[in-house]
Amino acid sequence: QQQVKQSPQSLIVQKGGIPIINCAYENTAFDYFPWYQQFPGKGPALLIAIRPDVSEKKEGRFTISFNKSAKQFSLHIMDSQPGDSATYFCAASYSGNEKLTFGTGTRLTIIP
Amino acid sequence: SQTIHQWPATLVQPVGSPLSLECTVEGTSNPNLYWYRQAAGRGLQLLFYSVGIGQISSEVPQNLSASRPQDRQFILSSKKLLLSDSGFYLCAWSVGSLYTFGSGTRLTVV
Repeated sequence: QQQVKQSPQSLIVQKGGIPIINCAYENTAFDYFPWYQQFPGKGPALLIAIRPDVSEKKEGRFTISFNKSAKQFSLHIMDSQPGDSATYFCAASYSGNEKLTFGTGTRLTIIP
Repeated sequence: SQTIHQWPATLVQPVGSPLSLECTVEGTSNPNLYWYRQAAGRGLQLLFYSVGIGQISSEVPQNLSASRPQDRQFILSSKKLLLSDSGFYLCAWSVGSLYTFGSGTRLTVV
């Protein structure tokens, strides 16, 4: 119930392509869905987040798509660049218990 | 502004030696504090979290312990390190669901 399932585990995309990372959850009480970006040797940093009252949120080249009925959300990176190469984590939490449940991470490599 | 300090950045320790990793937070009061471990190429494993001074919850049984002697200080300890304790240790604080992670400590037990 508390799990967030993330796929794929790793992803290689050519520069300019649109990598898509998917996450699925079971707990319908979840109401906050952030994505974190982690570069090698660094701690994860908040990239973008969404709440279930909207189906899509864009910040620059990063977009979260949210499907409440399917209990899925995904991260899309437009015009991907080698500098986007990092590990991406999805996460979820719900009001009253703000402890995040993290997905298992996706190692993204953007090749020139 | 709110910042989190974690040290040391890297550490090489022999098996059986003690461990003490420290994390301090600035610019916020009464944060929730967390210790995570990340094995190479793996996800984030929550080890401990704390909602206040002296209040520690352990997520997984292991060779480690945590303490919170002050509101903005969180310490991860071990009396005797095992090879399996090697990994990347991350401290984090949160207010609500907004998490801020430290820069991590790379621990290698040899």
